[in-house]
Order: sequence, then structure tokens, then C-alpha cells
Amino acid sequence: EDQVTQSPEALRLQEGESSSLNCSYTVSGLRGLFWYRQDPGKGPEFLFTLYSAGEEKEKERLKATLTKKESFLHITAPKPEDSATYLCAVQRGGGNKLVFGAGTILRVKS
Amino acid sequence: DTEVTQTPKHLVMGMTNKKSLKCEQHMGHRAMYWYKQKAKKPPELMFVYSYEKLSINESVPSRFSPECPNSSLLNLHLHALQPEDSALYLCASSLGQGSGDTQYFGPGTRLTVL
Repeated sequence: EDQVTQSPEALRLQEGESSSLNCSYTVSGLRGLFWYRQDPGKGPEFLFTLYSAGEEKEKERLKATLTKKESFLHITAPKPEDSATYLCAVQRGGGNKLVFGAGTILRVKS
Repeated sequence: DTEVTQTPKHLVMGMTNKKSLKCEQHMGHRAMYWYKQKAKKPPELMFVYSYEKLSINESVPSRFSPECPNSSLLNLHLHALQPEDSALYLCASSLGQGSGDTQYFGPGTRLTVL
């Protein structure tokens, strides 16, 4: 059975304090790993898709990396507006179902 | 443009009512999805339509009835819901090229069942 575990469950940072979120996964035949950001009461906002180990993608203060067992979302010099729940999801070959992790709630204080 | 729109934004209904949720995308995507999200939980897949045909039904109760009138529209018809069905209902779409497609989500409909 496909499993996705995100850690930590919650993370509090000071503005400018860089850190990383972890997404560990077990899936047969990974076809894609996805990162989303979700604000309270809103739909998930797409951030990154990673397809193979060693791949990295960047967008503003965010950088996502992928290994054969886990993905990291690195946040450099975060700002209060980066506060949100960050969701990781995996997709196996042969289908388009996403399996989500429980998410990491990020709070950045000024 | 990666916009998926959903209406209404909020819906309150009684257990005997019939209502519908609507979703629309104009990105040329051929796969569309319905998810249910309870508070402080991740989205859970309900249905997948691929090229206007239902391809996945995650054992959803029959009081939820999906419909895909064309490649741009997706409806979710609701009837005789229970209070535990109260949740954020999310629509998503993707290219429909198979696994590895990125799914883009709409803003959701907040449903409250009294």
C-alpha cells in the first residue's frame, strides 16, 4: 500500500530562519511526487512536480528535492506570507490517483 | 492560466435537500477529479473522470452522484446527505495523459449539512 509521511506535523519559524520539511514515501513505481501549499479554507495551490531521484526545482524561496525514499521542501529566509499547510502527494504508475501525506503546518512569525 | 473554478463557494443544505456542486476549467484538460477534505486532514479522492468517462469511484456512497457533461465541466449532485458529509469539496483537473500529470485544484465549496 502506498504511504506518505510528512514531518514535522507543525513548524514555527522566525522570519528569515531557513528550514526544511520532509516527505517520506513508500510507493511501487513512483511516477510523480507533488508539493502543494494550502491556505485555510482554500484549495491546494500547486508548487512543484518531481519525477525522478536527484531532481531539484526552485521557486522564489522554495526548493524541492527528491531521493528514492523522500523529498525535502527547503524554505530559505521565510516570510510571514509563507505561513500555510504544505502537502506532499505521490502518484504511482498506471493511474492518476494522488496519495497525500497529512501535511506540515508552517507558521512564520515576524 | 491554471484556473479551476467552483460554484458555489459555500452551501448549506438540509438532509432532505437536493443540490449540485459545479466545477469548470478551460485549460483543455481531459481528466477531472472530485476530492473531499475534512478539517485538518488531507484531501481524499472521490471520483476521477478521464475523457468524460468515470474511471475511478473510491467506493463513495450513492448519495453523491458525479456527472461530466463535457470536457470542461464537472458536477457533483448531492441528495439525502448526512451531517458527517460536511466538508470542503475540491475539484481538480489535469492534462489526462496518465500518471505523472499535475493536478490543479479549484478553491473548493464549503458544504454544511444540517
